[in-house]
Amino acid sequence: SAVISQKPSRDICQRGTSLTIQCQVDSQVTMMFWYRQQPGQSLTLIATANQGSEATYESGFVIDKFPISRPNLTFSTLTVSNMSPEDSSIYLCSVEGRTFNTEAFFGQGTRLTVV
Amino acid sequence: LAKTTQPISMDSYEGQEVNITCSHNNIATNDYITWYQQFPSQGPRFIIQGYKTKVTNEVASLFIPADRKSSTLSLPRVSLSDTAVYYCLVALNNNDMRFGAGTRLTVKP
Repeated sequence: SAVISQKPSRDICQRGTSLTIQCQVDSQVTMMFWYRQQPGQSLTLIATANQGSEATYESGFVIDKFPISRPNLTFSTLTVSNMSPEDSSIYLCSVEGRTFNTEAFFGQGTRLTVV
Repeated sequence: LAKTTQPISMDSYEGQEVNITCSHNNIATNDYITWYQQFPSQGPRFIIQGYKTKVTNEVASLFIPADRKSSTLSLPRVSLSDTAVYYCLVALNNNDMRFGAGTRLTVKP
């Protein structure tokens, strides 16, 4: 298994500002993923972040709005830029597992409220 | 086109066996079927993965018919702590991890 630490766990931000969410893993992993989850809803994949290459974004998500860094094999950041109330959500980091093809480990998430 | 279809919610009582069925009519030959569990204020947790027939671990069993167009997650003797959202995923690998709507299971005393 992998232990994932996300910071901050929650934040309340003013519209128009930006927030950077950090994801730290206790082991080296090639693939890291960022998801968004609205309260009571399912998870939506934002992007895949592999070390050494630019992040790959899903349809509806763009790098200018959600820039991602992946400086090494244990760390990644997701920035939510120029925030609006519609960005209020839970943001989750996950990493690939090593036992099963579709096994992933998730952080606790960052609960973001934009006011 | 949704890859998976699950019931939105289910209710059960402590000690009962719960079966949650997921439809995935367009499953590809190399796709795996995986189930995750999510408690409130936590990220999803991997439960079980299968390709065909039956898979069992210490938490659950996964039944997959020969045509693989559906699958059933079976939770034996549920307790209150099994109240959670259960997601069925059909994917080749981690690059294809797109979650469906999930099933909200409520276990009552």
